Amino acid sequence: DTGVSQDPRHKITKRGQNVTFRCDPISEHNRLYWYRQTLGQGPEFLTYFQNEAQLEKSRLLSDRFSAERPKGSFSTLEIQRTEQGDSAMYLCASSWGGDHTDTQYFGPGTRLTVL
Amino acid sequence: AQTVTQSQPEMSVQEAETVTLSCTYDTSESDYYLFWYKQPPSRQMILVIRQEAYKQQNATENRFSVNFQKAAKSFSLKISDSQLGDAAMYFCAYRSAGLNSGNTPLVFGKGTRLSVIA
Repeated sequence: DTGVSQDPRHKITKRGQNVTFRCDPISEHNRLYWYRQTLGQGPEFLTYFQNEAQLEKSRLLSDRFSAERPKGSFSTLEIQRTEQGDSAMYLCASSWGGDHTDTQYFGPGTRLTVL
Repeated sequence: AQTVTQSQPEMSVQEAETVTLSCTYDTSESDYYLFWYKQPPSRQMILVIRQEAYKQQNATENRFSVNFQKAAKSFSLKISDSQLGDAAMYFCAYRSAGLNSGNTPLVFGKGTRLSVIA
């Protein structure tokens, strides 16, 4: 396994369109996190899954955002009716619950540009 | 809520020299984890080093070491024998280690951009 992968790496869309991103975690990891990173800032937490259950959502995750993790494997993050303020890097991370430090390993991110 | 502060937006170091990146954090918790992540330009974030708060011994990973001062809530990263490949954004991050520690995300600082001069 080569690590966390994300697809697409770049997405350009027009305001009002819907977009969907995919994250494939490290295979034995049962926890999956989504973060958003804007220019000049550190990543900010969006939501978290343990297996297929979405256990926590940040206040940053407006009702236009939805995330799923069917069967506890890959995850998708959908943004409906995109706005220019949604332009950011969307990072996915995974971790193994048996590690008490819950060290998270990150994917390369999907850079979203909303025109 | 916990906060992480990196007071140095940019740092530079000569190749083969040593540099220290600063990080302070604010928390009322006694049990937590601290991390340094490296994000090279246009590449993914990778873990550099981690520290458990209950351990007094400072973590070390090859050329990377930390100075963890729990009372001062300080967690600096020292890079020895700097190499061109060390040039990147470095993020300090905090995670709670309470009863539901698996449910707590990372809290990041704003990062320090490190340049390495040949």
